[in-house]
Amino acid sequence: RKEVEQDPGPFNVPEGATVAFNCTYSNSASQSFFWYRQDCRKEPKLLMSVYSSGNEDGRFTAQLNRASQYISLLIRDSKLSDSATYLCVWEGTNKLIFGTGTLLAVQP
Amino acid sequence: DTGVSQDPRHKITKRGQNVTFRCDPISEHNRLYWYRQTLGQGPEFLTYFQNEAQLEKSRLLSDRFSAERPKGSFSTLEIQRTEQGDSAMYLCASSAGIGRSEKLFFGSGTQLSVL
Repeated sequence: RKEVEQDPGPFNVPEGATVAFNCTYSNSASQSFFWYRQDCRKEPKLLMSVYSSGNEDGRFTAQLNRASQYISLLIRDSKLSDSATYLCVWEGTNKLIFGTGTLLAVQP
Repeated sequence: DTGVSQDPRHKITKRGQNVTFRCDPISEHNRLYWYRQTLGQGPEFLTYFQNEAQLEKSRLLSDRFSAERPKGSFSTLEIQRTEQGDSAMYLCASSAGIGRSEKLFFGSGTQLSVL
């Protein structure tokens, strides 16, 4: 089983829609989780950290469910500029482990 | 620009040739990472340095791959006797490594094409 599993998508949604991505992880000892965003032909950049209590940053909400070993990202009121690949990440020993990414395409 | 810089941006080489990539991390960052990314996949960890010490290497890193960070600043990644399967984006990242939940800053990567 892969350490981090994501639905690769693509998720095609209209502007203004709400979209949610889930990611499952296999290592129950994992402590820290993140969502990174990667635009086409660009490097990954940190979008937000994921806390057990859930956290929100504007239109973005991240949740962690330790019992079921998954994290989620909710994007409300999607914008065209949200189109990108969203990478689920957990912090292993001395490194970050990345999922395969979920491609989001927001349509006008 | 004070971000992570990588050179070259693109490298095309013939199978069997050696290639070397350079990474200059953010100056105050003591941790440096190399990742490899192929189309449709997330970045895969290759190796990690804390200052000049290489503390971990992935099993993905065969003996044809070697990385150095001689003075704890810039790093080089060399691939000897390249194979077509080495074609990928090679990403360097650095972090300050303070506490947990450290943020990685990535460079723009070196796109390697092995013909």
